[in-house]
Amino acid sequence: DGGITQSPKYLFRKEGQNVTLSCEQNLNHDAMYWYRQDPGQGLRLIYYSQIVNDFQKGDIAEGYSVSREKKESFPLTVTSAQKNPTAFYLCASSIQTEETQYFGPGTRLLVL
Amino acid sequence: KNEVEQSPQNLTAQEGEFITINCSYSVGISALHWLQQHPGGGIVSLFMLSSGKKKHGRLIATINIQEKHSSLHITASHPRDSAVYICAVGKGNQFYFGTGTSLTVIP
Repeated sequence: DGGITQSPKYLFRKEGQNVTLSCEQNLNHDAMYWYRQDPGQGLRLIYYSQIVNDFQKGDIAEGYSVSREKKESFPLTVTSAQKNPTAFYLCASSIQTEETQYFGPGTRLLVL
Repeated sequence: KNEVEQSPQNLTAQEGEFITINCSYSVGISALHWLQQHPGGGIVSLFMLSSGKKKHGRLIATINIQEKHSSLHITASHPRDSAVYICAVGKGNQFYFGTGTSLTVIP
């Protein structure tokens, strides 16, 4: 059945390490998004992609990188340049931008 | 200043009560979304509105474009409705999210 998956569910990172969060969808959606959620704050957009091989920075892109080599996949790399990476990361997809977004289950990243 | 403001931040209700969550926004939008986030973190889209009113089961969402305001109503609330409800507005390629309303329904 169709859906959007994220892995891992929990991720621990040592300071100075880069880590990559996986996001895969089999909904045949063109648009994909990465959000960060911190306690007491709304979701904030990190990056989004409207189509394969294209992506745009969101509000808080510094310290993050993405790729969109395949329609189904939109991995997010949290680099060592991200000074406060501990957060809940949510991936979403939609048929096109401005349409209903379908969310993955999220990945909790903790820096040790 | 947040583009999307929700009220109340926290809400506790007895089972069976009628619940209203409000959302005001300050930007021009193409659509407004109501999302539900359960304690595990997963988010489900409940409604997408650009005008008027939508109903799904015990959930009703309304929007007033002129007043830039939307409400989410839950009739005959149940403990399984306990979750965080998030209002989001879409403008172009951007979504703006409220901080959410945490609802607890007590049996």
